[in-house]
Amino acid sequence: SQQGEEDPQALSIQEGENATMNCSYKTSINNLQWYRQNSGRGLVHLILIRSNEREKHSGRLRVTLDTSKKSSSLLITASRAADTASYFCATDQKAAGNKLTFGGGTRVLVKP
Amino acid sequence: NAGVTQTPKFQVLKTGQSMTLQCAQDMNHNSMYWYRQDPGMGLRLIYYSASEGTTDKGEVPNGYNVSRLNKREFSLRLESAAPSQTSVYFCASSGGRGDGYTFGSGTRLTVV
Repeated sequence: SQQGEEDPQALSIQEGENATMNCSYKTSINNLQWYRQNSGRGLVHLILIRSNEREKHSGRLRVTLDTSKKSSSLLITASRAADTASYFCATDQKAAGNKLTFGGGTRVLVKP
Repeated sequence: NAGVTQTPKFQVLKTGQSMTLQCAQDMNHNSMYWYRQDPGMGLRLIYYSASEGTTDKGEVPNGYNVSRLNKREFSLRLESAAPSQTSVYFCASSGGRGDGYTFGSGTRLTVV
């Protein structure tokens, strides 16, 4: 099974609402990253949180990391139709080489 | 900046044919990666190159070979294509451990 598991698999919200998605992982990490993928496009890096950090903000994005629970969450505040995309968490595992392991993603639909 | 450039964008192969997917980055990144993405799934690592002159297997290397031609270029070769290799292939690069990845726009490969 994958190192990162996102929950929920799909999410549908109205414009202006907040969207929250979670990521759980299994082994110790150096950092955890979140990416966005618009339909038919490549992934775009959103934010990186290191294992010694608990919370990080970037614009309307808020990421938390709980290493004791091996979980992270991504919150998108005041969502817009343009936020419609798939969101992936990726982990840099301490025991692995210089590479990221991706989860299966959360598909977010923001309705106007 | 072009970032990460992948060619071709689309390709249809017959079973048993061979082809090489090209990837080049202009960000002077040390590390480069090849992932595949299947419908409704996250990305799975095929091969990666942590630095020029080195390559390592990822999660799903069977049926593929890679060449790190120089610091800029990292190619992926399918020697004898199989229908199970129908997928979207993404190349990515990063400055090193702890940096986010920059992805190309992908190659959509169909093997018939």
